Amino acid sequence: LAKTTQPISMDSYEGQEVNITCSHNNIATNDYITWYQQFPSQGPRFIIQGYKTKVTNEVASLFIPADRKSSTLSLPRVSLSDTAVYYCLVANSGSARQLTFGSGTQLTVLP
Amino acid sequence: SAVISQKPSRDICQRGTSLTIQCQVDSQVTMMFWYRQQPGQSLTLIATANQGSEATYESGFVIDKFPISRPNLTFSTLTVSNMSPEDSSIYLCSVDSAAGHQETQYFGPGTRLLVL
Repeated sequence: LAKTTQPISMDSYEGQEVNITCSHNNIATNDYITWYQQFPSQGPRFIIQGYKTKVTNEVASLFIPADRKSSTLSLPRVSLSDTAVYYCLVANSGSARQLTFGSGTQLTVLP
Repeated sequence: SAVISQKPSRDICQRGTSLTIQCQVDSQVTMMFWYRQQPGQSLTLIATANQGSEATYESGFVIDKFPISRPNLTFSTLTVSNMSPEDSSIYLCSVDSAAGHQETQYFGPGTRLLVL
């Protein structure tokens, strides 16, 4: 299983760009990297997924270096409503899925 | 994306009793997953439930304590048996939904369980 490591917490101010890095040194060839956002008393919400290089969607970007041993979630211009726990998940696809959630990063956006 | 609902959304139970949590998906899915999230902690996978076969349990979780049913491709139940206060957690159902060539997990809103 690809164990993941994330910072426990981060603080930021409104309007800033936030980068959260996840380490996954033992990632396997067929593993994908997925990031989720979770608000209190809610289930995790999918943010973005990637395999290598850079992926961008309407809410975030995901940077994955060539060795894939880490990934960085980038949130542009955060707002107070982005205060949440962000989880990095490394998992393979197919019927033999193995799913490992990181410890999560509590992001607090300050006014 | 898949829309997932769970029942009940929350419950308070007495120790020694059992609670069955339902998970309903708005589309047919092959794999459904059950997670536990203890207060202030990350998610821990309990088991994977495929329709038509026995659930596959992760280390530390056993069928006698967490029996799972998967009667069709849109529904699953997780029972928390003989509950103790240590079972107080949020229980989450999730499904795989193909997004292009990748598989993405979508989560239900969770069931918040408090055992007294």
